[in-house]
Amino acid sequence: AQTVTQSQPEMSVQEAETVTLSCTYDTSESDYYLFWYKQPPSRQMILVIRQEAYKQQNATENRFSVNFQKAAKSFSLKISDSQLGDAAMYFCAYGNKLVFGAGTILRVKS
Amino acid sequence: GAVVSQHPSWVICKSGTSVKIECRSLDFQATTMFWYRQFPKQSLMLMATSNEGSKATYEQGVEKDKFLINHASLTLSTLTVTSAHPEDSSFYICSANGLPGELFFGEGSRLTVL
Repeated sequence: AQTVTQSQPEMSVQEAETVTLSCTYDTSESDYYLFWYKQPPSRQMILVIRQEAYKQQNATENRFSVNFQKAAKSFSLKISDSQLGDAAMYFCAYGNKLVFGAGTILRVKS
Repeated sequence: GAVVSQHPSWVICKSGTSVKIECRSLDFQATTMFWYRQFPKQSLMLMATSNEGSKATYEQGVEKDKFLINHASLTLSTLTVTSAHPEDSSFYICSANGLPGELFFGEGSRLTVL
């Protein structure tokens, strides 16, 4: 069975600084999708970024980028120029049915 | 982007009653929808996979007689919590598959059982 591990229950970052959220996963499949979702207090799940495993190039969406290391089964999220609106719970997720990690609470300090 | 609507967003019911939650894909057809449960400050746990026209596939540990799932059309899946008890109180979220690698979430439904 696939598992997703987020080892950072909580992270803090100063506004305008950069922060990296960690995620590792376990799978025997060779082709799959990985995701980072943001869940603000409203609890609406918002897709931040998506990576296809067969693509070696790291996905980027504006201030958000990933460091995808397939061999190491690592999928970290980097948030640049952090903004107050980035504060939320962030979930790393795997696959089509979505196996979620435990989540990381991101706090942004002004 | 594609829209998935979930209703009701908040429901309070008495213990022993049944509650139905709807999940609709508004602008696309979804042959597969998923139901998740989320406890406060915890992650989303997949409960079941809902397939249009066939029986739902439940994850291990999820009582299929307690959580009835029906996927009657390509745009609607329903989750019915039968004979609800306070321990069923939770946040329930649905999602629907679009193209491969695309998954769209509903707004979630908060269930409180008194």
